[in-house]
Amino acid sequence: QKEVEQNSGPLSVPEGAIASLNCTYSDRVSQSFFWYRQYSGKSPELIMSIYSNGDKEDGRFTAQLNKASQYVSLLIRDSQPSDSATYLCAVNRAGFQKLVFGTGTRLLVSP
Amino acid sequence: EAGVAQSPRYKIIEKRQSVAFWCNPISGHATLYWYQQILGQGPKLLIQFQNNGVVDDSQLPKDRFSAERLKGVDSTLKIQPAKLEDSAVYLCASSSPGGRTPNTQYFGPGTRLTVL
Repeated sequence: QKEVEQNSGPLSVPEGAIASLNCTYSDRVSQSFFWYRQYSGKSPELIMSIYSNGDKEDGRFTAQLNKASQYVSLLIRDSQPSDSATYLCAVNRAGFQKLVFGTGTRLLVSP
Repeated sequence: EAGVAQSPRYKIIEKRQSVAFWCNPISGHATLYWYQQILGQGPKLLIQFQNNGVVDDSQLPKDRFSAERLKGVDSTLKIQPAKLEDSAVYLCASSSPGGRTPNTQYFGPGTRLTVL
């Protein structure tokens, strides 16, 4: 079992729709959770971080964390073609700064 | 605030040759990371420095890869000799325990290595 699992996609949504990206992790002592966006040929860029169970909203983005079920998700409202990218889920354990990344989900937003 | 700087941006070498990458972290960031990202995969941590000391190098292939951060600021990652499977993007990141976003890792533009 991989430490961090994501569906590789592509996830295709029309412009204006809600895109839902999911991530599961295996290590129950994981403490911090991050979503990075990576455009083709570019480096990862932090979108959101979440540390506590529940929802965290930032503009069009909402991160959701459920530690009991060991999953974290990212919702993108009013998806735009410029949101088309690979979204990487990353996790680290309490006391460690090391991030473990999933393979990423490719999102395609069509006009 | 300047971001993480890396050079070169691209490098093409033949197998068995050596190559070195350079990284300069965000000013004041004590922690520096080197990641390897193979096409279609997420970044994999190779080595983590705290100031000039190694915190984690458990996934660094030490028979061919080496890294240093002598003065606790910039860092170099070396591969000698390179293999075909080393073709990847090498990403440098840095973080700080303080500030508005503690321990958040910020990535440089990466070095795309092609081994022929």
